[in-house]
Amino acid sequence: GQNIDQPTEMTATEGAIVQINCTYQTSGFNGLFWYQQHAGEAPTFLSYNVLDGLEEKGRFSSFLSRSKGYSYLLLKELQMKDSASYLCAVTNTGGFKTIFGAGTRLFVKA
Amino acid sequence: DSGVTQTPKHLITATGQRVTLRCSPRSGDLSVYWYQQSLDQGLQFLIQYYNGEERAKGNILERFSAQQFPDLHSELNLSSLELGDSALYFCASSVGNGGGQETQYFGPGTRLLVL
Repeated sequence: GQNIDQPTEMTATEGAIVQINCTYQTSGFNGLFWYQQHAGEAPTFLSYNVLDGLEEKGRFSSFLSRSKGYSYLLLKELQMKDSASYLCAVTNTGGFKTIFGAGTRLFVKA
Repeated sequence: DSGVTQTPKHLITATGQRVTLRCSPRSGDLSVYWYQQSLDQGLQFLIQYYNGEERAKGNILERFSAQQFPDLHSELNLSSLELGDSALYFCASSVGNGGGQETQYFGPGTRLLVL
């Protein structure tokens, strides 16, 4: 089956850097997504990784290691508006389902 | 604004009742996905339709059903409602058949409260 693990909560300070980890187990790995979700709102796409390495997009970067079943999302120059849940999601070739982790709730404090 | 629309935004109903949630995908998108998000759980995949046909099924209860119409909008029907069905229901869409590498764009959700 598939399994995704993320920390439940993290707290960081405005202006700092935070790394949110995600480990997964799946057969036929076909890509990993990161989504941001503010409370009560829709998830919005942040990044997609299918090959090993780092993808950078402005203040956000995402890293993938397929051999380790591991990804992280790096948020730099944290802003108060970054307080949200960050969802790690994995797709596989065995079907057409995207499985989401439970999400990491990030609190950014002044 | 993702371009995905969902109605209604809020729905309050009683146990045993039946409700229908509606979703219109982004213009040009052929796949529609339905998810359930409860307070204590992450996004749970329910079902996916691609161009009118069921494409993938998750942990969708037998009391729940969905369909995608020729104009590509989709409806999720929830029947014999129970208290535990209270949740946020999201619809998402993607451009193709959802072959695993497609970004899904989420609608604003329908908040269902079963009393």
